[in-house]
Parts: sequence; structure tokens; C-alpha cells
Amino acid sequence: EAGVTQFPSHSVIEKGQTVTLRCDPISGHDNLYWYRRVMGKEIKFLLHFVKESKQDESGMPNNRFLAERTGGTYSTLKVQPAELEDSGVYFCASSSGIGEAFFGQGTRLTVV
Amino acid sequence: GQSLEQPSEVTAVEGAIVQINCTYQTSGFYGLSWYQQHDGGAPTFLSYNALDGLEETGRFSSFLSRSDSYGYLLLQELQMKDSASYFCAGSGSARQLTFGSGTQLTVLP
Repeated sequence: EAGVTQFPSHSVIEKGQTVTLRCDPISGHDNLYWYRRVMGKEIKFLLHFVKESKQDESGMPNNRFLAERTGGTYSTLKVQPAELEDSGVYFCASSSGIGEAFFGQGTRLTVV
Repeated sequence: GQSLEQPSEVTAVEGAIVQINCTYQTSGFYGLSWYQQHDGGAPTFLSYNALDGLEETGRFSSFLSRSDSYGYLLLQELQMKDSASYFCAGSGSARQLTFGSGTQLTVLP
């Protein structure tokens, strides 16, 4: 069974540019989460999808971040325009219920 | 919302036993999970406690006390490969995971 996959694994962009991160959850998992770890600090929640609906987006830092989940399958997280403080590792996770979540390898975003 | 606190660092020697504590303040608490992360890679699931008591999985055990809003991860027979960051995470009514700040475990030879 394929795990959670994220693309790209690394991205280096200039301040002001746009970047789109993609996450493919485990097939059949209704719950999809985005998290971010900045500068080795704690893993911060960004938002949570249940199927195609946003269950909770309270962790999204500002309106430069836009997440979508087309048809309840893969999800994208767009940052437009990117700022220096957006640098970090963005993790996607999926789960079928409460308790165990499966994480992707993350996308390391560097804004220069 | 939820907040979880855990020690930032723990050091132990090979073969020893180490306990990583986690206290939480939360509304709508469902359960406590533990994740391991090596070198900034993908966090991997270790255990989940929904009920009070001890859950054992090989060398790792996890404990939860709802009345004390407290849990811990117990690692036995430590090995060098256990050096990693360990995160406790609370599950809330919205099903999202809220992570603690992580504990960096260093296992010395």
C-alpha cells in the first residue's frame, strides 16, 4: 500500500513568488492534515480536511495560504506571495479516524 | 484548543530505560498519541491511548491518566537508533492532532 506522498521534496523560491505543494493521502483516508515545522520548532497545525471540506483551518497563518482538496483526493497548499518567514518543512498527514495519522516525507520550502 | 508540554531534551545510555512525560490542557480531548521523528523526516506513529492505563508495544509503552491530564512514553532497552525527537499529540473533537514541542532523546554508548 502506498503511503502519503508529497511533492516536491524541496523547493527554493524567491520572496514574492508562488509555490504550490501537493499531497496525495493514503487511498480511502477521509482525513487530510497539513502541518508546518519552522526552524526546528514544534510541528504546527495548519488545517484539516474531511473529504473535500475544510473541517478546521484555524492554523492557517494568513490569507497568503490557500489549501484545496479536489474531489476529496489529493490536496494542494499554495503560498502566494511567499515571504521569508514561510520557510520550513510542510508535512501532510492522512488518517481514517482518531489516533493514528500517517505522515508524508514533507516538503522543505526555502524562501530567499 | 489544546496545548501540550513535554521536556525539550532527555539523555540516556544504551540499555537504559527512559520516560518522556507529556501534560496537556485541552477541551474535547479524545486521546494521546506518540510520534517519533528522525532528523526532521516524516513523523512515524508509535502509540495511541484513548483509555487510562498502559499500552505496551515491544520496547515502547505509553501511559495515559485522563484525571491527571498526563501521559508518558516509556522506552526500554534503549538502542542508539532510538535517538530521535519524540512528540506527544492530542486528538480533539475536530479529529486534528495538536503536537507538543517535542523531546530530543539522545542515547549515549
